[in-house]
Amino acid sequence: GDSVTQMEGPVTLSEEAFLTINCTYTATGYPSLFWYVQYPGEGLQLLLKATKADDKGSNKGFEATYRKETTSFHLEKGSVQVSDSAVYFCALSDHAGGTSYGKLTFGQGTILTVHP
Amino acid sequence: DGGITQSPKYLFRKEGQNVTLSCEQNLNHDAMYWYRQDPGQGLRLIYYSQIVNDFQKGDIAEGYSVSREKKESFPLTVTSAQKNPTAFYLCASSMDRRTFFSQETQYFGPGTRLLVL
Repeated sequence: GDSVTQMEGPVTLSEEAFLTINCTYTATGYPSLFWYVQYPGEGLQLLLKATKADDKGSNKGFEATYRKETTSFHLEKGSVQVSDSAVYFCALSDHAGGTSYGKLTFGQGTILTVHP
Repeated sequence: DGGITQSPKYLFRKEGQNVTLSCEQNLNHDAMYWYRQDPGQGLRLIYYSQIVNDFQKGDIAEGYSVSREKKESFPLTVTSAQKNPTAFYLCASSMDRRTFFSQETQYFGPGTRLLVL
C-alpha cells in the first residue's frame, strides 16, 4: 500500500538557518504530493503541492521538488523564521487508475522549532 | 468568508457516552473527510463521503459513525464502542473527485480535541 516516511524530529534551528525536511514515499500509481503545515492548536493548512514528476511546489519561501527517480519530495527553506515553528506533514494522494477518492496518506509529521 | 468550521473546540466524554462532533463547510465541496490525529503520528482516515447520502469507511472506522444528509454538513459520532477516543479530530473537504480525480486539495477545519473524563 501507499506510505510516506518523514525524517525523525524534532528539528531545532536558529533563525535564518537553512531548513531541509526529508520525505520519501511509496505508491502504486502516479501520486500527487503535498506538504501541509500545522500551527499549535490549529488544523492543517496546505503549504505547497506538486502533481507530476519534476514539478516544483513553492510558497512562503518553502520549496519542494517531485523526484520520481528517488521517490522523494524534500521540503526546503533558505532562511527560517521564528514564525515557521510548526509541525510539517508530507502527504500523497494516489490516483492510480482513476479510482482514488482523494484519500491522503500522511507521514508522521516533523516538529520544527526555530529560536531567535 | 468561505471555509470549514468545527465545533466544539474541546469536548469531554464520559464513559459509555456517545458524543457528536460537528463539521460544516460553505465551500460547495462535494467530498468531506474525518481524520484522527494522535501525538507523534500522522493523520488517519476515519470516514469519508463523496456525495450527499453516501459515505465510506476509512482505515479506522470502528467505534465511529457518520451521516451526510446535507452537502455542507458531515457530523461524526464517537460511540461508546470506541475505547480510546482521546485525540484531535480534523474534518476536511475537497472538490468533486470526478472532475479532478485525487489531485484536488483538501481543506481542513480547525479541529476538535476530545478528552475522556
